[in-house]
Amino acid sequence: DVKVTQSSRYLVKRTGEKVFLECVQDMDHENMFWYRQDPGLGLRLIYFSYDVKMKEKGDIPEGYSVSREKKERFSLILESASTNQTSMYLCASTRSRSTDTQYFGPGTRLTVL
Amino acid sequence: GQNIDQPTEMTATEGAIVQINCTYQTSGFNGLFWYQQHAGEAPTFLSYNVLDGLEEKGRFSSFLSRSKGYSYLLLKELQMKDSASYLCAVRPPQAGTALIFGKGTTLSVSS
Repeated sequence: DVKVTQSSRYLVKRTGEKVFLECVQDMDHENMFWYRQDPGLGLRLIYFSYDVKMKEKGDIPEGYSVSREKKERFSLILESASTNQTSMYLCASTRSRSTDTQYFGPGTRLTVL
Repeated sequence: GQNIDQPTEMTATEGAIVQINCTYQTSGFNGLFWYQQHAGEAPTFLSYNVLDGLEEKGRFSSFLSRSKGYSYLLLKELQMKDSASYLCAVRPPQAGTALIFGKGTTLSVSS
């Protein structure tokens, strides 16, 4: 079974803090994704990566950056957290093509105060 | 543009059959996924259709009509544990792109 893990299930941060969300997959998947999910808005793609050190902007990249130094790990960075970044963050990965079946991590519920 | 429409909410009773519709208008199409997501949990894969017709998997079936830009997920013999959100997602044909998700349909099953 594919396993995608995220560093925290719940996180509370203050406005202006730098926040790191970590995602690790253990199945040698090529592609990794970061989404945020908000009521009434569904899943929105922030960034994705199809190879080490490669990244592509999704639909809502503003206020976020990403890092992929190793194939199994994809980090989402909030340089200066704001209250409108309070959300559920979901990481996903796919085996060989960015539009294959996505396997999701358990999610991180981030609250920015 | 890219547009995927699903009903926001549906309700049904245990033992019943429910059909969740998804219509899409996308620039290119190379398959459609259905995911299930329980409250507070991650989405999990249910089905994938790339050709027209019905795919059956136990109590769940998924149908696709490419000419109509339409899919549905059919859930039979509903159980309380089927209460969840159901996400429809379109696979674009272009390499280096990502799935396009609908906003999801929240299904509530009551006894």
